[in-house]
Amino acid sequence: GAVVSQHPSWVICKSGTSVKIECRSLDFQATTMFWYRQFPKQSLMLMATSNEGSKATYEQGVEKDKFLINHASLTLSTLTVTSAHPEDSSFYICSARLTPVNIQYFGAGTRLSVL
Amino acid sequence: GDSVTQMEGPVTLSEEAFLTINCTYTATGYPSLFWYVQYPGEGLQLLLKATKADDKGSNKGFEATYRKETTSFHLEKGSVQVSDSAVYFCALSDSPNAGNNRKLIWGLGTSLAVNP
Repeated sequence: GAVVSQHPSWVICKSGTSVKIECRSLDFQATTMFWYRQFPKQSLMLMATSNEGSKATYEQGVEKDKFLINHASLTLSTLTVTSAHPEDSSFYICSARLTPVNIQYFGAGTRLSVL
Repeated sequence: GDSVTQMEGPVTLSEEAFLTINCTYTATGYPSLFWYVQYPGEGLQLLLKATKADDKGSNKGFEATYRKETTSFHLEKGSVQVSDSAVYFCALSDSPNAGNNRKLIWGLGTSLAVNP
């Protein structure tokens, strides 16, 4: 149980286009989901906390207008990278928090390459 | 604020060697502690967890004990395999008072390579 699906796993896009990444909790409901960014050989950087039915909470330094997060249901959160540029190329990972045990389960990640 | 300090890698071992990856933390309150593993090209998987002092988490031959007196949660395995090659992350979950926005505080990760 506690499976999180992330889609797509890999996306290549042109500079200036927008990319949407989906994160789904397949067998549990998640009031809270998290979005991370991981640079090569580095730890995860929390970008934002996504709460169902309310606005996401962004970490300091993360542009909310650039990284749009929508958490419209208890099983789906989306991250849209708007007007992507090469510096946005990275590995993006989502997680969904299973309560009340307070464990985060992770998607397999999305590798974004912006040309 | 809360923080996690993890031993730097990379760690290279021969198959069947004993593994220890050190993790210490600073936290107010009573955090839960986790070890996650990331295999090459994949997302993170929960390896084991402990929610209170003296708890021992275990999975796939790995163990870690929540030591409040030394604020540590070291990961150990008695005999590693080539398939254990991955990056291991220590993390703590911050205070329950944070409500829905409870976050994981991450260590920097330790890369493990096991040679046949």
